[in-house]
Amino acid sequence: GALVYQYPRRTICKSGTSMRMECQAVGFQATSVAWYRQSPQKTFELIALSTVNSAIKYEQNFTQEKFPISHPNLSFSSMTVLNAYLEDRGLYLCGAPSGNTLYFGEGSRLIVV
Amino acid sequence: GDSVTQTEGLVTLTKGLPVMLNCTYQTTYSPFLFWYVQHLNEAPKLLLKSSTDNKRTEHQGFYATLHKSSSSFHLQKSSVQLSDSALYFCALSDLSGSFNKLTFGAGTRLAVCP
Repeated sequence: GALVYQYPRRTICKSGTSMRMECQAVGFQATSVAWYRQSPQKTFELIALSTVNSAIKYEQNFTQEKFPISHPNLSFSSMTVLNAYLEDRGLYLCGAPSGNTLYFGEGSRLIVV
Repeated sequence: GDSVTQTEGLVTLTKGLPVMLNCTYQTTYSPFLFWYVQHLNEAPKLLLKSSTDNKRTEHQGFYATLHKSSSSFHLQKSSVQLSDSALYFCALSDLSGSFNKLTFGAGTRLAVCP
């Protein structure tokens, strides 16, 4: 079956520092990966869509300068939250489609202190 | 743009009772609807999905029917269990594009009491 692993599960970082998270697809080829953020209020925001060998598409309010993404092959993607502040708190989810379904990793929770 | 509206807030039920969590959507494309369940400190997991009009889909005792005429995909269960306590999200994708871009509802928290 299709599985998505994400790590680290949880990071506590000091305000102004950065956090890198990784996403691994197992059992299928992740030609594209979607990065979401779930806020403390539990709403989802799409950050960007990443497709191998294609430009990464960022949603409004999210930029490459703040959330650089790497997607070098069909099983791996990473995203960094640069200069994290309180408003960046939340659960960051990577999702990869297999067939007509988007499968999520377990999420990387960012806590900023 | 696309949007999803769910039963708001918290639904509290006693174990064994039936539940229906509402989900309606708006899109100009052909819809594909999903229900995800998120337990405490876990990532969302797919519960149900459908793109077929008027066909019931079931999984783990939950069921839903996509009704394009009313733009709805309500989630139901005949008898809730304590383990059903979780956040439930309805999500929409359109069949014209990739399935990466899901539009989520705000989520409904289901709390089942003994």
